[in-house]
Amino acid sequence: GMPVEQNPPALSLYEGAESGLRCNFSTTMKGVQWFQQNHRGRLITLFYLAQGTKENGRLKSTFNSKERYSTLHIKDAQLEDSGTYFCAVEGTGGYKVVFGSGTRLLVSP
Amino acid sequence: NSKVIQTPRYLVKGQGQKAKMRCIPEKGHPVVFWYQQNKNNEFKFLINFQNQEVLQQIDMTEKRFSAECPSNSPCSLEIQSSEAGDSALYLCASSVNQDTQYFGPGTRLLVL
Repeated sequence: GMPVEQNPPALSLYEGAESGLRCNFSTTMKGVQWFQQNHRGRLITLFYLAQGTKENGRLKSTFNSKERYSTLHIKDAQLEDSGTYFCAVEGTGGYKVVFGSGTRLLVSP
Repeated sequence: NSKVIQTPRYLVKGQGQKAKMRCIPEKGHPVVFWYQQNKNNEFKFLINFQNQEVLQQIDMTEKRFSAECPSNSPCSLEIQSSEAGDSALYLCASSVNQDTQYFGPGTRLLVL
C-alpha cells in the first residue's frame, strides 16, 4: 500500500487565525489533491497539484514530491472552513488514489 | 463546485439483499471513480473506469461488488449480497484525465 499520514488529526482555530495542515507520504507520488468534507459529508475539491504551489483566496497548497509531503495553509479562518480536510495522493504506478486519515478543523468565533 | 449526481442519497437493505447505487459524472468527464468511506471516515478505493472500461479495481470489488459505466446511461455500483460491514458512504467522483476529481454527494448505505 501507500500509507498517507495527515497531521494534526484535529485543529481548533479562532476566526481570523491561520494554520497549516500537512500530508506525508512514504513514496514518490504523481499528484496530490486536497478536499474539505463538510458536516453533510459533501467533499469539496480544493486543489490538485502535480508540483509546486497553488493559491486560491485564503487557501494555499504546496506539493513537494521529492520530500514526500504536501501542505494546505489556511489564513483568516472563517466559520465555514470547519470540516474535515483530506489529502488524497495518486501514485505513479496506476490510477489508484489513497486518502489520508484527515484533519478535523473547528473554527470558533 | 461539483455537478456529479448520485442516487439514491440513502439506501437501506437487509443482509443478503442487493444494493444498487448510481452516478452521473460531470459532462465531459470520461473517468469515474468509486470510493467507500466507512464510519471511521476512512476512504477505500473500489474501482475506476475510463469511459466504459475498467482501469483498476480492488479484490473486494471483484468478488461481491459489480460496477459498470455504460455509454449514455448512469454508472452504477451494485453489491450482490449486502453485509453489515458494507454500511458506509459510497462516493462517486469524475475527472477529465485522472487528476482533479469532483465528487458527488454520496449514497449512504445502511445494511441491517
